[in-house]
Amino acid sequence: SAVISQKPSRDICQRGTSLTIQCQVDSQVTMMFWYRQQPGQSLTLIATANQGSEATYESGFVIDKFPISRPNLTFSTLTVSNMSPEDSSIYLCSVVVAGGNTQYFGPGTRLTVL
Amino acid sequence: QKEVEQDPGPLSVPEGAIVSLNCTYSNSAFQYFMWYRQYSRKGPELLMYTYSSGNKEDGRFTAQVDKSSKYISLFIRDSQPSDSATYLCAMRRQDSSYKLIFGSGTRLLVRP
Repeated sequence: SAVISQKPSRDICQRGTSLTIQCQVDSQVTMMFWYRQQPGQSLTLIATANQGSEATYESGFVIDKFPISRPNLTFSTLTVSNMSPEDSSIYLCSVVVAGGNTQYFGPGTRLTVL
Repeated sequence: QKEVEQDPGPLSVPEGAIVSLNCTYSNSAFQYFMWYRQYSRKGPELLMYTYSSGNKEDGRFTAQVDKSSKYISLFIRDSQPSDSATYLCAMRRQDSSYKLIFGSGTRLLVRP
């Protein structure tokens, strides 16, 4: 497994602003992902964060709204841009450790947009 | 139709009961099957991971996969109030994307 930290753990933001969420892992991982979990819902994959190149976005998610960076093997950021109340969710990063076959999740960032 | 179906519950049982949680799926290409536990306001925690069909046991937890029926189960023996959480099934194909498809989650309440 891996120890995954996310910052911030929670935030309350005004509509129209942007928030950048950080994900840090304590060991080298092969894959990093970003998910959204809306209130009372299951997890929806936003994108795969690719090291040193553009992220791969799932249907319904675009780079202008959710820019992602992954400058190295253990760190990634997700920005939620031009926020609206509909963006209020928990945002989770997950990783696949080297040699592993499944994903481990961070603690999540709880975002409320007013 | 969703690729993965899971009864949302809530499921309420007395302490000590055997709990059965289930998911069905439609994509026969799924080969890896996971169960995650998510406590309120926390990230999902990997409980069980199974490749292809069969059973896997870990303490009070048993995961079963029946690929012929496209049906997976998680059994919890001697359930405890600390088991009260949402249980999410997840699965993926055997490819390099590692993408998981999640069920909607079943909320479990174990009453003391």
